[in-house]
Amino acid sequence: QVQLQQWGAGLVKPSETLSLTCAVYGGSLSRYLWTWIRQSPGKGLEWIGEINLGGSTKYNPSLKSRLTLSIDTSKNQFSLNLTSVTAADTAVYYCARGLQTVGASPWGPGTLVTVSS
Amino acid sequence: DIQMTQSPSSLSASVGDRVTMTCRASQSISSYLNWYQQKPGKAPTLLIYAASILQTGVPSRFSASGAGTDFTLIISGLQPEDVATYYCQQTSRSLPYTFGQGTKVEIK
Repeated sequence: QVQLQQWGAGLVKPSETLSLTCAVYGGSLSRYLWTWIRQSPGKGLEWIGEINLGGSTKYNPSLKSRLTLSIDTSKNQFSLNLTSVTAADTAVYYCARGLQTVGASPWGPGTLVTVSS
Repeated sequence: DIQMTQSPSSLSASVGDRVTMTCRASQSISSYLNWYQQKPGKAPTLLIYAASILQTGVPSRFSASGAGTDFTLIISGLQPEDVATYYCQQTSRSLPYTFGQGTKVEIK
């Protein structure tokens, strides 16, 4: 049974970079897409982007200029970097496994990231 | 972006009731529609994918239908453990994939 565990800084200063990592346990990175989603009170659930085993990515156009997703097959992990953060980036960030046709499952437990000085 | 509109935003029903909620897309998304359940303080979990296919392990009291722009999620016989917020998500070809604002289900 695949499980996702995620970690990263919970407090990030404005204009700095938000970095999160998600580790996949009990399964391979192959055959699926690996997704990041965030949830804030003001904007609800927001799809951030996805990456596949080969490193091909799809990004939310609203975040594309600040976003980098990467994947490390040797560690069975994938990561998110979001630069130049502002208070609007404060949210619970989730990682998830998914494909376009079968939805996102499972999800990681979520990481609350607060952008504040 | 494709806008997903869920209704109602909240509902209250009795245990055993049939509960219906809808999700409407601002343009056709074929059957690229997923439903998620989120309990307080927890990550969402997948209930339904491809508009009507029940995710493995999800109770059969959950069902869904629809295609194009109009979709429905039904709980046939509401249980106390179904108290949650339900979200639809479109994953059509048009990026970004977008979510509805949610329907919060409570027990009367």
